[in-house]
Amino acid sequence: QSALTQPASVSGSPGQSITISCTGTSSDVGGYNYVSWYQHHPGKAPKLMIYEVSNRPSGVSNRFSASKSGNTASLTISGLQAEDEADYYCSSYTSSITLAYVFGTGTKVTVL
Amino acid sequence: QVQLQESGPGLVKPSGTLSLTCAVSGGSISSGNWWSWVRQPPGKGLEWIGEIYHSGNTNYNPSLKSRVTISADKSKNQFSLKLSSVTAADTAVYYCARARLGATGAFDIWGQGTMVTVSS
Repeated sequence: QSALTQPASVSGSPGQSITISCTGTSSDVGGYNYVSWYQHHPGKAPKLMIYEVSNRPSGVSNRFSASKSGNTASLTISGLQAEDEADYYCSSYTSSITLAYVFGTGTKVTVL
Repeated sequence: QVQLQESGPGLVKPSGTLSLTCAVSGGSISSGNWWSWVRQPPGKGLEWIGEIYHSGNTNYNPSLKSRVTISADKSKNQFSLKLSSVTAADTAVYYCARARLGATGAFDIWGQGTMVTVSS
């Protein structure tokens, strides 16, 4: 199965809001509410930020929110902070061939 | 607090078999979670490799299925990855991860990752 499509980079100034898109198909993002988002600082373990489209795990800032419309999921970071600068990946359950999970291509978030 | 720690050789020869182990501490591999392997080639994105349940049930990425075996050792509270016939394309940081209970495909705990290079 092909990776989900994300913009390569998104940037914003401190305090601003940014949105990262994650586009798939009806066999993954559009077909199931099993979209997750991860924050990945280089050299560290990825961190789960959102699961099942819009749910935040305990301890994740409410500046992170997410939604889905059709085959596209979105992650919004509000009140952008320097510590938000990282790579972000979406992932989804997929039934395109067999049970599996597919990640997005990744988005580099830069805080200007 | 559940923690995961990957271990294994950092260098594997082409055509050989990559073998990694993920030790689970602070919790039980029989807890009801699914346990996965994920990798990230240098400069590229994340790729899900496969998962295992403590009962031994497994699911694999179709693109790797013919070369991958994931197994679990409940007595040692760990699970393992074997990837055969490796090439340079298998060079990556390999992570083990736990799927959040009751949340399909939500990997809530990750190991720090281990770099594996395929080279002669």
